[in-house]
Amino acid sequence: GQNIDQPTEMTATEGAIVQINCTYQTSGFNGLFWYQQHAGEAPTFLSYNVLDGLEEKGRFSSFLSRSKGYSYLLLKELQMKDSASYLCAVSLDSNYQLIWGAGTKLIIKP
Amino acid sequence: GAVVSQHPSWVICKSGTSVKIECRSLDFQATTMFWYRQFPKQSLMLMATSNEGSKATYEQGVEKDKFLINHASLTLSTLTVTSAHPEDSSFYICSARWLDSSFSYNEQFFGPGTRLTVL
Repeated sequence: GQNIDQPTEMTATEGAIVQINCTYQTSGFNGLFWYQQHAGEAPTFLSYNVLDGLEEKGRFSSFLSRSKGYSYLLLKELQMKDSASYLCAVSLDSNYQLIWGAGTKLIIKP
Repeated sequence: GAVVSQHPSWVICKSGTSVKIECRSLDFQATTMFWYRQFPKQSLMLMATSNEGSKATYEQGVEKDKFLINHASLTLSTLTVTSAHPEDSSFYICSARWLDSSFSYNEQFFGPGTRLTVL
């Protein structure tokens, strides 16, 4: 079966840094996505990793280790608008379907 | 670019009626569209994968006769919830994949979602 694990909820302070971890065990791997989803809205794309290493995009960075089945999303200089759920999703090899984690609800406090 | 729209954004219907949800890729051609369902405080659940011009592939446990999917063109897919019941109340989201072969990875672009409430 396919399995993706992420923490259910995290709390951080405005202006700080937070790291959201994701571990996966899947039958195939064609890349890992991070999406942001605000309550009542559809997910929006944040990042994609297919090779090991760190991808930086502004305040957000994403890291992948394929050998460990592990990724993290790093958010710097947190803003109140970053309060949202962060979804980790793995693309399997052949059919471009995404296997989704349950999401991590990030709460930002002033 | 890469905008996906859904219509309606919300709908309330009586039990036993059918509801059609449209998903359109506005500025690109989508070879594949995906339909998801999301219950409150839960993650996305893939219902089916829809390829233009062919029958949709449904995930295990999803009734194909209840959730009719039509992908008539490279820019439009529809999901019809037939004989809706209160347990079908959920947030339905579609996504589309880019057709352009120069696109380097298989990112999905999401529509804004349709909130269905069945009374």
